[in-house]
Amino acid sequence: GAGVSQSPSNKVTEKGKDVELRCDPISGHTALYWYRQSLGQGLEFLIYFQGNSAPDKSGLPSDRFSAERTGGSVSTLTIQRTQQEDSAVYLCASSLHGIGYGYTFGSGTRLTVV
Amino acid sequence: DAKTTQPTSMDCAEGRAANLPCNHSTISGNEYVYWYRQIHSQGPQYIIHGLKNNETNEMASLIITEDRKSSTLILPHATLRDTAVYYCIVRDNAGNMLTFGGGTRLMVKP
Repeated sequence: GAGVSQSPSNKVTEKGKDVELRCDPISGHTALYWYRQSLGQGLEFLIYFQGNSAPDKSGLPSDRFSAERTGGSVSTLTIQRTQQEDSAVYLCASSLHGIGYGYTFGSGTRLTVV
Repeated sequence: DAKTTQPTSMDCAEGRAANLPCNHSTISGNEYVYWYRQIHSQGPQYIIHGLKNNETNEMASLIITEDRKSSTLILPHATLRDTAVYYCIVRDNAGNMLTFGGGTRLMVKP
């Protein structure tokens, strides 16, 4: 597609449930990033994939968070045993080879944990 | 990556130039200055970037001081749709993720 696609756009889940968020990057973009943004706050880096290299997971807040990228394309961010503090907008971006001026962001998934 | 300092918020009158400053006094020689903006309820959008020279594109101009310790993003004729949070980020062009700070919340007023 022409842009970065994220699904679902909105997700409401009960505390303790697992959720999966999907990101479909721009075709050919080797780098993929996940960020989250809590209400009124800045963007918090979560995880970064670059080609076939091991992902940079340094931003994941706990072991309840994990992500994978299959075939160098689609990525899934999984949050296990969700907590209310996980409520945020989860943003995915992709760029060509990780260059700094080429980030294209999706519209995000708004996650609400009740 | 070098740290940046931006004012928390700024106002600008519609039709006037908006000048958004950014300090990056610890920038190193191979680090670029990137500007992104985030309009409410959307993901950030790339605006412009530069290394040493001033840059201009259809969205904005970027003025970088000779010592590269600060820069200014200029929106020449601000419109209401330019109301957004503007992020100044410093990083080398081959580094890992971009780190977004607090940014400047620009309010364009009629």
